[in-house]
Amino acid sequence: GQNIDQPTEMTATEGAIVQINCTYQTSGFNGLFWYQQHAGEAPTFLSYNVLDGLEEKGRFSSFLSRSKGYSYLLLKELQMKDSASYLCAVRDFSGYSTLTFGKGTMLLVSP
Amino acid sequence: DTAVSQTPKYLVTQMGNDKSIKCEQNLGHDTMYWYKQDSKKFLKIMFSYNNKELIINETVPNRFSPKSPDKAHLNLHINSLELGDSAVYFCASSQDHSGGEQFFGPGTRLTVL
Repeated sequence: GQNIDQPTEMTATEGAIVQINCTYQTSGFNGLFWYQQHAGEAPTFLSYNVLDGLEEKGRFSSFLSRSKGYSYLLLKELQMKDSASYLCAVRDFSGYSTLTFGKGTMLLVSP
Repeated sequence: DTAVSQTPKYLVTQMGNDKSIKCEQNLGHDTMYWYKQDSKKFLKIMFSYNNKELIINETVPNRFSPKSPDKAHLNLHINSLELGDSAVYFCASSQDHSGGEQFFGPGTRLTVL
């Protein structure tokens, strides 16, 4: 089975940097995804890590350490529109790709 | 040019009724999914189909029956609706079943009274 843990809520100020952590325990690891979900909307893909290290994509970066079962999503130059839930999801090693989602971190960006 | 679409967007119904939710993707993907997101926003996989074949069936009551008439469509039929079925149901698709980004539909908010 899989266990994914991320903080429930975070707050930050416009223009700041925020790091959202995700720890996981899995019987077989085959990649970690971050999704963004605005209230009342569908989750949208942000990033994917399968090897250790940092993946950068504009204002968003994601880091993975497989040995520590740890990832973080880094958001720079925060904007009000970044207020959303951020979902960490782990893919296992079964023949069919199953994503197990964490419960999400609600980020509130204030002026 | 919507990638993954679902109908209806909202569904309000009485306990005991039977209802269906439809999903279509125009991305040419082989694999489609149904997820349930409860009131605490926890997103959980229910089913997955690859080229019309069921490949993942999590522990979901058998009142829920998915059907895939072709690889672009995955519908969800729910019998004898219960209060606990109230949730947002998301359809998603991916290129194939080996992984990769999943694209989500807009969701169907089901309310059982």
